[in-house]
Amino acid sequence: DVKVTQSSRYLVKRTGEKVFLECVQDMDHENMFWYRQDPGLGLRLIYFSYDVKMKEKGDIPEGYSVSREKKERFSLILESASTNQTSMYLCASSLLAGYSYEQYFGPGTRLTVT
Amino acid sequence: QKEVEQNSGPLSVPEGAIASLNCTYSDRGSQSFFWYRQYSGKSPELIMSIYSNGDKEDGRFTAQLNKASQYVSLLIRDSQPSDSATYLCAVLDTGNQFYFGTGTSLTVIP
Repeated sequence: DVKVTQSSRYLVKRTGEKVFLECVQDMDHENMFWYRQDPGLGLRLIYFSYDVKMKEKGDIPEGYSVSREKKERFSLILESASTNQTSMYLCASSLLAGYSYEQYFGPGTRLTVT
Repeated sequence: QKEVEQNSGPLSVPEGAIASLNCTYSDRGSQSFFWYRQYSGKSPELIMSIYSNGDKEDGRFTAQLNKASQYVSLLIRDSQPSDSATYLCAVLDTGNQFYFGTGTSLTVIP
């Protein structure tokens, strides 16, 4: 079974803090993704990566950056946390194989910025 | 802006009935389609993928795809209370980007 893990289930940070969210997958997937999920807005893609050290902006990259130094690990960084970044953050991974890009999600990190 | 549209519901069905969940998408060239189930407070879980026109069955779940109509659906037969969740439709577009619908909330009434 694919396993995607995230470093924290719940996180509370203060405005202006730098926040690191870690994601690790154990299935040798090439693609990794960071989403945020908010009520009524669904899943929105922040960044994705299709290879080590490669990254692509998604729909809402502002205020975020990412790092992928190893194939299995993809980090999301909130440079200076703001209250509008309070959300559920979901990491996912998928193979890069034909068009069977099935994504598998981690358990999520519920981040509250106060 | 690529779009994936779902009826937000809530959809309520009695236990044992068929639940029908629908999804339309705007990118005519999309080739890959997925259904995810998300329980409250949990992350999405992949339940079905479909790539060709027609039906694909997996246990009590059937995915239906009609590319000409840009329409994909999920049928849940013999619905159980444990099927109560939000169902997300996802589409992989021609640019290899995933787009998710906002989900349909399903409640199965015992």
